[in-house]
Amino acid sequence: IAGITQAPTSQILAAGRRMTLRCTQDMRHNAMYWYRQDLGLGLRLIHYSNTAGTTGKGEVPDGYSVSRANTDDFPLTLASAVPSQTSVYFCASSEKETGGNEQFFGPGTRLTVL
Amino acid sequence: AQSVTQPDIHITVSEGASLELRCNYSYGATPYLFWYVQSPGQGLQLLLKYFSGDTLVQGIKGFEAEFKRSQSSFNLMKPSVHWSDAAEYFCAVASILTGGGNKLTFGTGTQLKVEL
Repeated sequence: IAGITQAPTSQILAAGRRMTLRCTQDMRHNAMYWYRQDLGLGLRLIHYSNTAGTTGKGEVPDGYSVSRANTDDFPLTLASAVPSQTSVYFCASSEKETGGNEQFFGPGTRLTVL
Repeated sequence: AQSVTQPDIHITVSEGASLELRCNYSYGATPYLFWYVQSPGQGLQLLLKYFSGDTLVQGIKGFEAEFKRSQSSFNLMKPSVHWSDAAEYFCAVASILTGGGNKLTFGTGTQLKVEL
């Protein structure tokens, strides 16, 4: 089934540990995004990539890094997790980076940092 | 800066009743507007989108939304709600990123409860 997969589904992590959230899409979309969802705040953009080999910072990039080595994969890394990074993380993709393109979302990763 | 306001955090309606979820946006140019739905434990699914043209747009699952530029609103409507519509609904506006490309700015969501 075409779409976006994210792994893991959920994770409990000790503060200070390194963690990589995985995201893979099979739609050959150019643009990919990472959002975090927090109660009462909606979804906020962490990082994005308009095409393979390029990345950019969103609204809340601190403490996170991304890479885009190929079209399909867009991992999000927390170098040293902190409790404020407890959240639900959604990966998304769109065919193009222009404003009118629908973004498709993955099922999310629930991360708890203790 | 762009922003989206969903003034209703929770709404409860009876099954079969009509529904209107409010959304107000702030954006300098002609907006690209979206409504997404999120069921518990799931990702977001697009219900409908507005780019230009007809101000009343039709979406999936019987939903529609009306763009009103004068009121900076993009309210979501459904004439008869089904119990399966219980979910969280997000309004979003697309905006240009500094480095190129676009992002979605989301409202804080409206949780819909449907009473049988």
